Amino acid sequence: QSVLTQPPSASGTPGQRVTISCSGSSSNIGSNTVNWYQQLPGTAPKLLIYSNNQRPSGVPDRFSGSKSGTSASLAISGLQSEDEADYYCAAWDDSLNGVLFGGGTKLTVL
Amino acid sequence: QVQLVQSEAEVKKPGASVRVSCKASGYTFSSYGITWVRQAPGQGLEWMGWISAYNGNTNYAQKLQGRVTMTTDTSTSTAYMELRSLRSDDTAVYYCARGMAAAGMADSWGQGTLVTVSS
Repeated sequence: QSVLTQPPSASGTPGQRVTISCSGSSSNIGSNTVNWYQQLPGTAPKLLIYSNNQRPSGVPDRFSGSKSGTSASLAISGLQSEDEADYYCAAWDDSLNGVLFGGGTKLTVL
Repeated sequence: QVQLVQSEAEVKKPGASVRVSCKASGYTFSSYGITWVRQAPGQGLEWMGWISAYNGNTNYAQKLQGRVTMTTDTSTSTAYMELRSLRSDDTAVYYCARGMAAAGMADSWGQGTLVTVSS
């Protein structure tokens, strides 16, 4: 069971804004930065957000990240059908001395 | 552009070993590390470890310590991940990804290699 807790599913209609949460602890999110990955069906993961709120080149500004205390969030505004994917948060854990992934959130665009 | 190309799918028997390769191009290989992540069928992502292509330093996931070895060959810009004493629950797609540090982001990913462990 993942120590980073994400809701298993989320949904929204085109144009809506949705948020996905990622809850951790003081040994991971509380003391390290959070990265977010998007995995489209049948493909490899793709870096979506790094260092809590930074977007790699080419990622639309509809995607944004934030962190507060031991939790982080990914927000997607102007939802599009192509955003339908699995989303994972990840952070280094000082106790495990390794990276933890959240369990993933399956986003459905209705 | 950065590209990571992985080896083909493998089928192994329980107790055997598997080695997955990951050939990098489009950047200076020794300036980054390689992260390995696996994904069991229908499951989430699991971090396996990281290796520096600069000096070979490694950081392995605790649950895989003793069974996994990550190496790099800078002459061919290729990273390798060997997993030993395979079990059925090692069946997964194995991904390599470029990462500056063990704790950092993985910014470019390989296409994945399916490893099936079955008797």
